[in-house]
Amino acid sequence: AQSVSQHNHHVILSEAASLELGCNYSYGGTVNLFWYVQYPGQHLQLLLKYFSGDPLVKGIKGFEAEFIKSKFSFNLRKPSVQWSDTAEYFCAVLNSGYSTLTFGKGTMLLVSP
Amino acid sequence: GAVVSQHPSWVICKSGTSVKIECRSLDFQATTMFWYRQFPKQSLMLMATSNEGSKATYEQGVEKDKFLINHASLTLSTLTVTSAHPEDSSFYICSARDAGTSGRFSYEQYFGPGTRLTVT
Repeated sequence: AQSVSQHNHHVILSEAASLELGCNYSYGGTVNLFWYVQYPGQHLQLLLKYFSGDPLVKGIKGFEAEFIKSKFSFNLRKPSVQWSDTAEYFCAVLNSGYSTLTFGKGTMLLVSP
Repeated sequence: GAVVSQHPSWVICKSGTSVKIECRSLDFQATTMFWYRQFPKQSLMLMATSNEGSKATYEQGVEKDKFLINHASLTLSTLTVTSAHPEDSSFYICSARDAGTSGRFSYEQYFGPGTRLTVT
C-alpha cells in the first residue's frame, strides 16, 4: 500500500486567512488522490479528488488542491477560511488495484472568529 | 444520495462479551464495504474489505477471528467484535462503494458516521 503524510497536525487561523494544508504521497505510478473533511460530530465527507487531467482540482465549499507530480504533493488550499471550516482534514490515496484507500494522519484546523 | 448509516452510534460493553456493529447503505447497493478503526487524534486504519457474498479481506495484523465481518446483502455489512477487551475500545467507521457506478466514480467511498465502542 502507498503511504500518505500530512505535515501539519494542528493549524489555527483567523477568519479570512488563507489556508494551505500539505499532503505528500509515496511514489506508486499512477496516483488517485482525495481530500476528506470531518466536521465535529459528523462523518467523513469528500472535498475533492484527483484522477487525471488538470492538476488543479476544485472541490466543494471553495476548496481546491493542486497535484504536483514532481513533488509527490497534493496540497489543499482555500483563499479565505471561515469559522465553519473548523474540522479535521484527511488526505488519502487510492492504492494500486483501485481497491483500498490509505489515509494520512489528518490535520485539525481551528478557525477563530 | 449515497448515505451510509451505522448502528449503534455508541455502545458500552463488558470485557469478554461480543458486540455487533451494522453498516447499511441506505439509497444504493454496495458490493464492497470497508471497515476502519480510528484512534483518538489519529488517522483511519483500514481493518478489512467486506465483499458481498464472499469472505472479507483483512489487512495485515487484524485478527480475523476477533473481528468477524459478514456482508450478507447488498446493503448491509456487519462487524462483530468477539470477546472484546478494553484495548478494542475505539471508533469504528464503515464506508461503502456504490455498485451502480462505473469507471473512476466507482472508486469513491461513502462513509458512515461511526460507532464509538467502549469496553469496560
